Amino acid sequence: DQQVKQNSPSLSVQEGRISILNCDYTNSMFDYFLWYKKYPAEGPTFLISISSIKDKNEDGRFTVFLNKSAKHLSLHIVPSQPGDSAVYFCAASAHPPMDSNYQLIWGAGTKLIIKP
Amino acid sequence: GAVVSQHPSWVICKSGTSVKIECRSLDFQATTMFWYRQFPKQSLMLMATSNEGSKATYEQGVEKDKFLINHASLTLSTLTVTSAHPEDSSFYICSARGQDSYEQYFGPGTRLTVT
Repeated sequence: DQQVKQNSPSLSVQEGRISILNCDYTNSMFDYFLWYKKYPAEGPTFLISISSIKDKNEDGRFTVFLNKSAKHLSLHIVPSQPGDSAVYFCAASAHPPMDSNYQLIWGAGTKLIIKP
Repeated sequence: GAVVSQHPSWVICKSGTSVKIECRSLDFQATTMFWYRQFPKQSLMLMATSNEGSKATYEQGVEKDKFLINHASLTLSTLTVTSAHPEDSSFYICSARGQDSYEQYFGPGTRLTVT
């Protein structure tokens, strides 16, 4: 049973528009959420995180929204740029990063394609 | 969906000892497995790529004699940290990819603490 789901395998967005990547989770114990971006043949790069005490976190063009009641988070990229084309993974943890019980439960990823 | 597990989830070992971490694909055949190490800023550094039945390909700067990788079957890869030092303490994540698939599925990670 997948605890973290990214239901869209791919998403195509026009350059300059907003990209919205979605992630749903089932475990109400998840307390910490991360988004990673991955280019082919490279390791995932951390983008942005949010803890359950917040419902929004913003960093430049990237904003993550958390809806705890719906167990849903989304990553907004605005404006979208060609370099944003990559696979985006959301991940969740019930413990903070330095906790010995820290584990990341991953979504399957969404491939974002930015069209010029 | 595809599931990747890691065992143990958390291990403490003494300096100079070796520790083995297992990565298993539970419901698919993983022809390729990847091992990553997570750094404090949370990005994952690729350590090595292993194909079933072949020797692993290590990234530059990763000591192959220290981080032994074995991918003996289509569902299991192991990472052995030999002669562990405190600086090897980290969070290690594996991922797996099936044949003719571009999708990677990540394991939950293993926290290694070397005292």
